Amino acid sequence: SYVLTQPPSVSVAPGKTARITCGGNNIGGKNVHWYQQKPGQAPVLVVYDDRDRPSGIPERFSGSNSGNTATLTISRVEAGDEADYYCQVWDTNSDHPCMFGGGTKLTVL
Amino acid sequence: EVQLVESGGGLEQPGGSLRLSCAASGFTFSTYAMSWVRQAPGKGLEWVSSITDSGGMTYYAGSVKGRFTISRDNSKNTLYLQMNSLRAEDTAVYYCATSDFWSGYFDHWGQGTLVTVSS
Repeated sequence: SYVLTQPPSVSVAPGKTARITCGGNNIGGKNVHWYQQKPGQAPVLVVYDDRDRPSGIPERFSGSNSGNTATLTISRVEAGDEADYYCQVWDTNSDHPCMFGGGTKLTVL
Repeated sequence: EVQLVESGGGLEQPGGSLRLSCAASGFTFSTYAMSWVRQAPGKGLEWVSSITDSGGMTYYAGSVKGRFTISRDNSKNTLYLQMNSLRAEDTAVYYCATSDFWSGYFDHWGQGTLVTVSS
């Protein structure tokens, strides 16, 4: 099945830019989605279809996808952005159509 | 406002069965694909199963295929997950979520229900 690789942790100072990567074989050819999960809470969709934001998600959250790497970028990071972030892809042509990355813990210093 | 409320979790012995339910409100349930995603304690997200809006097509993760069955009752706005032959590794919080069928993202999530499989 398709494997998505994320760094276990990323640290960033408040006000700076955080970049969380998601690696996969030719992931640029797939639609990548990103979720934020805070402790004890359900995940929240923050970016879908590589770069689109659901209503209510700040413009500080953006996404890109090319080649073998998709990236979630969080600009002007705030303390409230500290959370686990997961990438996800869907492929109905696969025996296992849905895959999540292992998750990245974002720490705001 | 979209609301998804899971129920039916609890403690079950290995080899036992449980049926989870997800009551939906605030949107036209019959026009949305739906999914179950689980999270073992301290671990990441794992997709379990998805079903199309009509219920005509279902998809399963290899780890649950043949043991779990996803279904829905559009007249009751309710999603189900029948879990048989439970194993310790099925212990997790189970979330239901609305799904975009074509792109496969999960745009609304319930708060989850905890399933513990232990003797």
